[in-house]
Amino acid sequence: QLQLQESGPGLVKTSETLTLTCIVSGGSIRNSNFFWGWIRQPPGKGLEWIGSVYYSGSTYYNPSLKSRVSISVDTSKNQFSLKLTSVTAADTAVHYCARGIAVAGSENFDHWGQGTLVTVSS
Amino acid sequence: DIQMTQSPSSVSASVGDRVTISCRASQHITSWLAWYQQKSGKAPKLLIYTASSLQSGVPSRFSGSGSGTNFTLTISSLQPEDFAIYYCQQSNSLPLTFGQGTRLEIK
Repeated sequence: QLQLQESGPGLVKTSETLTLTCIVSGGSIRNSNFFWGWIRQPPGKGLEWIGSVYYSGSTYYNPSLKSRVSISVDTSKNQFSLKLTSVTAADTAVHYCARGIAVAGSENFDHWGQGTLVTVSS
Repeated sequence: DIQMTQSPSSVSASVGDRVTISCRASQHITSWLAWYQQKSGKAPKLLIYTASSLQSGVPSRFSGSGSGTNFTLTISSLQPEDFAIYYCQQSNSLPLTFGQGTRLEIK
């Protein structure tokens, strides 16, 4: 059974870089049928797509974060990572990693990690 | 960006009730719409994709409809485990965007 697990620091200082890793087990990250993404949720608020990475290596980011975000894949470790630079308190959120699936042109997330809260504070 | 607007923001209902939640897109998105359920402290769960296709393992009391800009999620007979927050998500164009959520509460 596919499982995703986020890992990384729960506290990041203002202006520093947030780095999270998603470890994928029970399936290969190299499966071309899927893509991999990061979604965040500020406390008590809704969901925001951060970005996605595809089997081809292509990455797509939310323009609201584009200048600060990067997503990469490490196929040897079956994991993918998120980096967000120059963080502020507005970046405090539960961060989820998820597997994406494209069906008939629709792109959705069918498996999610449990989420990890990252708090940004000075 | 395509804005997704859900209504109502919250709804109270009883076990056994039929409930409908609406989602409107700011632009035409064909049928590239999904619905998720999120329970407190948990990750979202995919319920419906391409507007009306039921995700594997999801009970048949959940159904979706619509195309273009107007979509609905219907729960035919509410069960105790259905009380949660529901989100729609479009994938017609990047960035992927979600509605603000509809909280389904017990009456």
